[in-house]
Amino acid sequence: EPEVTQTPSHQVTQMGQEVILRCVPISNHLYFYWYRQILGQKVEFLVSFYNNEISEKSEIFDDQFSVERPDGSNFTLKIRSTKLEDSAMYFCASSDGTGPPDTQYFGPGTRLTVL
Amino acid sequence: LAKTTQPISMDSYEGQEVNITCSHNNIATNDYITWYQQFPSQGPRFIIQGYKTKVTNEVASLFIPADRKSSTLSLPRVSLSDTAVYYCLVALYSGGYNKLIFGAGTRLAVHP
Repeated sequence: EPEVTQTPSHQVTQMGQEVILRCVPISNHLYFYWYRQILGQKVEFLVSFYNNEISEKSEIFDDQFSVERPDGSNFTLKIRSTKLEDSAMYFCASSDGTGPPDTQYFGPGTRLTVL
Repeated sequence: LAKTTQPISMDSYEGQEVNITCSHNNIATNDYITWYQQFPSQGPRFIIQGYKTKVTNEVASLFIPADRKSSTLSLPRVSLSDTAVYYCLVALYSGGYNKLIFGAGTRLAVHP
């Protein structure tokens, strides 16, 4: 069964450093998403991406965040200058958009630890 | 997006049927009901979704009454591995995608 993959599984960084989280969505999917989950809290929507542009973003997704689909398979989330409060699990998801409804499939996540 | 209300936690025993009910009083005509499962330190996993009446797959059943103001996820004969958080979501399909808004979910504990 096709699945979303994410690398790395765990990233440790110093405050102020840039990090890039990588995702490989399911191959025939057209819509891509990033969510995050701070330890013990809810899963929060960050951004959706379609046709090489952002469809929607949340208040969390400020100027420090950016997304990119650099080639036909990868989807990345960049945090330019990490803060302590960016420590969380980051989940990538994808969907094929052939709904309704639209079913999103999530990756295993990247645990980001900012020191 | 319609707000959902579901129990914070539930306990069950292996082999029992578990029913988790979610209330979504403000569900709109175009909203779909979707359930996800999440294990610790893993991504949410899609379980089932529906619009009305009953939907069944190899994992669960979803019961939606005619007024659609609530829904019930039914897990037949649970095992220890079904211990997880279960999320009920109501999502508007907006011509290609929907933004998923997760609540706190229901933490199901299955005991031997």
